[in-house]
Amino acid sequence: GAVVSQHPSWVICKSGTSVKIECRSLDFQATTMFWYRQFPKQSLMLMATSNEGSKATYEQGVEKDKFLINHASLTLSTLTVTSAHPEDSSFYICSARATTPVFGPGTRLTVL
Amino acid sequence: QKEVEQDPGPLSVPEGAIVSLNCTYSNSAFQYFMWYRQYSRKGPELLMYTYSSGNKEDGRFTAQVDKSSKYISLFIRDSQPSDSATYLCAMSIQGAQKLVFGQGTRLTINP
Repeated sequence: GAVVSQHPSWVICKSGTSVKIECRSLDFQATTMFWYRQFPKQSLMLMATSNEGSKATYEQGVEKDKFLINHASLTLSTLTVTSAHPEDSSFYICSARATTPVFGPGTRLTVL
Repeated sequence: QKEVEQDPGPLSVPEGAIVSLNCTYSNSAFQYFMWYRQYSRKGPELLMYTYSSGNKEDGRFTAQVDKSSKYISLFIRDSQPSDSATYLCAMSIQGAQKLVFGQGTRLTINP
């Protein structure tokens, strides 16, 4: 079946640094990918829609200058958390649509 | 009011029991309904995917959609300890790809 991978699976960084998370569709092409954030014991909240070859669409309340999204190819979208702070610590999950929405395994970000 | 409401639980049942999980929603434009299972620190895994109203069965899992009541259900028969996880309902509008999730129900199956 369709598979979405994420890298890294776990990252720790210092406050003020930037972190890049990759999302890849392994066996299908995805013109659109989605980035979600999940805090402990909470549901997934959509952050932004990543569109191949064009600008991402951000949900209300999500800072586009802080969460940079680049969808450079039909199989790769990246999320860069710029100047990360402890409140950005969360579980970041991407998804892409094959015949159904497929989710990646998630990336756990811890900002010290 | 949230677009999708789901009781967060926790829900604890003995092994072998029938589990019923439910979500209600307010947006009548939703056409696609999904149930995901999420283990701790993992990404969501699709269990059931249904379009519009009706029932769908896959092994021990049955999904029901009642659009007139804006109510969806997931039934798990012969529940196993390995079914212990958080179950998330999700839905989307026809032609759109954005999913709106319920809060998730944390389920524990006790041996």
